[in-house]
Amino acid sequence: EAEVAQSPRYKITEKSQAVAFWCDPISGHATLYWYRQILGQGPELLVQFQDESVVDDSQLPKDRFSAERLKGVDSTLKIQPAELGDSAMYLCASSLQRGDSYEQYFGPGTRLTVT
Amino acid sequence: AQTVTQSQPEMSVQEAETVTLSCTYDTSESNYYLFWYKQPPSRQMILVIRQEAYKQQNATENRFSVNFQKAAKSFSLKISDSQLGDTAMYFCAYPLGSGNTGKLIFGQGTTLQVKP
Repeated sequence: EAEVAQSPRYKITEKSQAVAFWCDPISGHATLYWYRQILGQGPELLVQFQDESVVDDSQLPKDRFSAERLKGVDSTLKIQPAELGDSAMYLCASSLQRGDSYEQYFGPGTRLTVT
Repeated sequence: AQTVTQSQPEMSVQEAETVTLSCTYDTSESNYYLFWYKQPPSRQMILVIRQEAYKQQNATENRFSVNFQKAAKSFSLKISDSQLGDTAMYFCAYPLGSGNTGKLIFGQGTTLQVKP
């Protein structure tokens, strides 16, 4: 069964350093999402792509976060510089439109610890 | 503002028993979907069940069913014959914003522990 791939699974970095996460969605899924999940809470959307275009990045802290999906397939989320408050799980999801609904499939996530 | 509220941070249930997780939400949309996702410890989030708001019939997927009350904006998840593998964090979610763009807003989650 096809899955969303993410790497790395775990990342420890010092504050003020740069960090990048990679996501490979399920083949054929045009829509890709990045969520941030603080421990013990629900995921919060950071950015949504439709193919290579950003659909919504209203919740992305653009002073330090950037996201790209250059060829409309895999995607990279970058943080520079990292801050202590960025410690969280970063989830990638892709979706397939099913009728008038989207069914999202999540990757295993990247757990970021900023020290 | 759109909100999703899960009022039970933690719940426990004995194996083989039934448990209900509650969720309330707030939207001005008339047609939308509602979802329950399961996140097992150290594993990825998976879709458990979804409900179409314009359908009166409650959705069912094997041991999982929902009690959807549109007027009350309530969407609870019932797990029958609980199994140890049901131990996980459960999130209620629905589409964020107007229209149907796929992005979701999630509740705070309910941690369910199934005890042997």
